[in-house]
Amino acid sequence: DAMVIQNPRYQVTQFGKPVTLSCSQTLNHNVMYWYQQKSSQAPKLLFHYYDKDFNNEADTPDNFQSRRPNTSFCFLDIRSPGLGDAAMYLCATSRDAAGKGNEQYFGPGTRLTVT
Amino acid sequence: SQQGEEDPQALSIQEGENATMNCSYKTSINNLQWYRQNSGRGLVHLILIRSNEREKHSGRLRVTLDTSKKSSSLLITASRAADTASYFCATEAGGGNKLTFGTGTQLKVEL
Repeated sequence: DAMVIQNPRYQVTQFGKPVTLSCSQTLNHNVMYWYQQKSSQAPKLLFHYYDKDFNNEADTPDNFQSRRPNTSFCFLDIRSPGLGDAAMYLCATSRDAAGKGNEQYFGPGTRLTVT
Repeated sequence: SQQGEEDPQALSIQEGENATMNCSYKTSINNLQWYRQNSGRGLVHLILIRSNEREKHSGRLRVTLDTSKKSSSLLITASRAADTASYFCATEAGGGNKLTFGTGTQLKVEL
């Protein structure tokens, strides 16, 4: 089945130690998104790629970076995780621009713990 | 910001009852979508309603949109225990590729 896969499902890192979360998709979608979701809150968009074009949200900290080496894969790098970065990180894809009425398909998420 | 507010924050009902959740937003939109999230999991798309539509149905789901009031509602009829989840509305506005999610409603359906 076509899907969005996130690895690992649970990640523990130490304060200040760089960590990378990965996302892959078999849907061949043009757009890939990274969201941060803290407990009982709405998902907050960090950035997205439209094909190779990177779009950063204005309030996304510089500590968060992303890479999309090809259509299928997208990575979230947290350069120096702080305790406040502990959250669920959700990857999503859409076939094209959301403005064209396309739904987003979400992966199961990676729960990040910072010790 | 465009973030939607959902009401109620939490809802507990008995199996077989209907559940209604409301979403309000602040600016003009292209479309509004509803998503469901089971605890500790990713979101699943339920239904999309465009700004020129007023009502849409999908199985036991009914969504309404009132652009004059900048509000939407999601009705789940004949609820089941398996409907227990958080439900989020999300709006798409302007020419961008992104959604802005509301604060969510936690629904608990008890046997």
